[in-house]
Amino acid sequence: NAGVMQNPRHLVRRRGQEARLRCSPMKGHSHVYWYRQLPEEGLKFMVYLQKENIIDESGMPKERFSAEFPKEGPSILRIQQVVRGDSAAYFCASSATGGDQPQHFGDGTRLSIL
Amino acid sequence: AQSVTQLDSQVPVFEEAPVELRCNYSSSVSVYLFWYVQYPNQGLQLLLKYLSGSTLVKGINGFEAEFNKSQTSFHLRKPSVHISDTAEYFCALGTSGTYKYIFGTGTRLKVLA
Repeated sequence: NAGVMQNPRHLVRRRGQEARLRCSPMKGHSHVYWYRQLPEEGLKFMVYLQKENIIDESGMPKERFSAEFPKEGPSILRIQQVVRGDSAAYFCASSATGGDQPQHFGDGTRLSIL
Repeated sequence: AQSVTQLDSQVPVFEEAPVELRCNYSSSVSVYLFWYVQYPNQGLQLLLKYLSGSTLVKGINGFEAEFNKSQTSFHLRKPSVHISDTAEYFCALGTSGTYKYIFGTGTRLKVLA
């Protein structure tokens, strides 16, 4: 499967724990985007990364959330000290370039906070 | 600022009937428009895209959409739906020089036997 791979598919955390979500883009894609989908809502942009660079994190909450896309390995979305309101589906997308190239989405990570 | 409005949160339709899912957008600059489908507990799959050129765009699974600049719409249509088309459909907008998509809130299509 050469698509966007996200893991884990489901993640359960207790309040105060850390959540780490991983995303491997499609082969040949160097642009990665993270979106969050709250129940009954559309997807909301969080952050856009290229290899080793955060290009735009305007959709990320200012505290507790961080993202990286290292030279080697998957992109990571990290949520520290999770709260109930962080429960959502987190989707990663990738594209070959920016602009008009369609973004291809993974199956998402469903995060549940107990 | 750009925005996308999907007017119908749910659309029930009988199998083999035609369907139209509505999408309107707002933007002061040229746009790219996309329709994605999401099956339960899965990611988004690209159905079709409008980048430029012909305003009638054909996609996968028999879907098509028409870009109407004067009405700022990009409605999705299928002449005859199947049970397997039951899913949530999202309209999304992108603009030249940017990369973040603006999504509508989705339309849940339920095909009835």
